[in-house]
Amino acid sequence: GQQLNQSPQSMFIQEGEDVSMNCTSSSIFNTWLWYKQDPGEGPVLLIALYKAGELTSNGRLTAQFGITRKDSFLNISASIPSDVGIYFCAGVNSGGSNYKLTFGKGTLLTVNP
Amino acid sequence: DSGVTQTPKHLITATGQRVTLRCSPRSGDLSVYWYQQSLDQGLQFLIQYYNGEERAKGNILERFSAQQFPDLHSELNLSSLELGDSALYFCASSGRPIEGTDTQYFGPGTRLTVL
Repeated sequence: GQQLNQSPQSMFIQEGEDVSMNCTSSSIFNTWLWYKQDPGEGPVLLIALYKAGELTSNGRLTAQFGITRKDSFLNISASIPSDVGIYFCAGVNSGGSNYKLTFGKGTLLTVNP
Repeated sequence: DSGVTQTPKHLITATGQRVTLRCSPRSGDLSVYWYQQSLDQGLQFLIQYYNGEERAKGNILERFSAQQFPDLHSELNLSSLELGDSALYFCASSGRPIEGTDTQYFGPGTRLTVL
């Protein structure tokens, strides 16, 4: 089946630093999603990308849909302690009654105040 | 608070048993999705319902089934439970089937432990 390689697996950074994480796949997706999950909570959608090459921002977050449709990255600028959590990418292929969503393994982000 | 509720929060049961997990979507949302999250498999999409009908299937085992009722709440039934079924089960809801600009809102999850 489709596999997503998300990296890095974990990051430990200082408050104020910028963060970058990415997902790559051998398969093409027509939608890329980025989620954040806090401990004990369900994932929360951060950014959704629907077109190859699309660059979208949400506050301090910026994500891009790779031009090959096989990759995406998420950047967080000027990190703050509440950015701590697990970040997941997800690739979606859908059409008609067919729908497949594949998640990456996640990036654990720790921010040192 | 996403507006999606799931019960129970925790469930401990034995191998071979059957359990039912319940999800109430956000008010007005027609789509419900079920996910399984485990350490070794990560987050996996199981199944989607839209307005009472099955819309899409992911990596759902034959021992698992789901349904969405007329009031739009959904139940995930897990039977002949195995140790490997221990995981967090999330429900998410959205207003429309996930095509285009749709956003899924996740519930807090049900933690299932199979002993």
